[in-house]
Amino acid sequence: NAGVTQTPKFQVLKTGQSMTLQCAQDMNHNSMYWYRQDPGMGLRLIYYSASEGTTDKGEVPNGYNVSRLNKREFSLRLESAAPSQTSVYFCASSEQDRGRVGSSYNEQFFGPGTRLTVL
Amino acid sequence: EDQVTQSPEALRLQEGESSSLNCSYTVSGLRGLFWYRQDPGKGPEFLFTLYSAGEEKEKERLKATLTKKESFLHITAPKPEDSATYLCAVLGGTYKYIFGTGTRLKVLA
Repeated sequence: NAGVTQTPKFQVLKTGQSMTLQCAQDMNHNSMYWYRQDPGMGLRLIYYSASEGTTDKGEVPNGYNVSRLNKREFSLRLESAAPSQTSVYFCASSEQDRGRVGSSYNEQFFGPGTRLTVL
Repeated sequence: EDQVTQSPEALRLQEGESSSLNCSYTVSGLRGLFWYRQDPGKGPEFLFTLYSAGEEKEKERLKATLTKKESFLHITAPKPEDSATYLCAVLGGTYKYIFGTGTRLKVLA
């Protein structure tokens, strides 16, 4: 069980370049999330996918697009990178069955992160 | 609006010196309060979920408690390996997780 994997681990882009961050989970979870983490700001939700085939905006979606390719994979795309998008990006997944509230369904599991610098 | 505030921002303890971290929250329709540990350069690691006021969870030297307005993470007789950033998050009726900015804990040998 690899859990949540992310690629790449590090990336440097020039302003205006595009790239896709990849995320995959092998826990058969329904929900997947993309966060960015900046000093002093905490983790902020960019986009999430409650289930295969659905995506919704989070707190800071501008400048990003997502694709829930299948139940395992959730990618984040920067179409035209800006220096303000320099950050550490984390993907997460959870079982989160909205029909049930219980002790294990809402726990999130995080990947190791992608450190992105936009020059 | 759902909100999470953690205090203190940073905490330095001597090995064996017990203390508590605070997480104050406002949320409509609490579906869970979560504690995570994050080591430098790594993703957050899940520690505890609490669902209702009065609930307590324990794991080794850590104990998490929950009231209607706040949660505490108590660290008993900490060791240097407990040094990390501890994050608190809530999940409310919007099904979106809201994170605090964390408490950076340093335990000195």
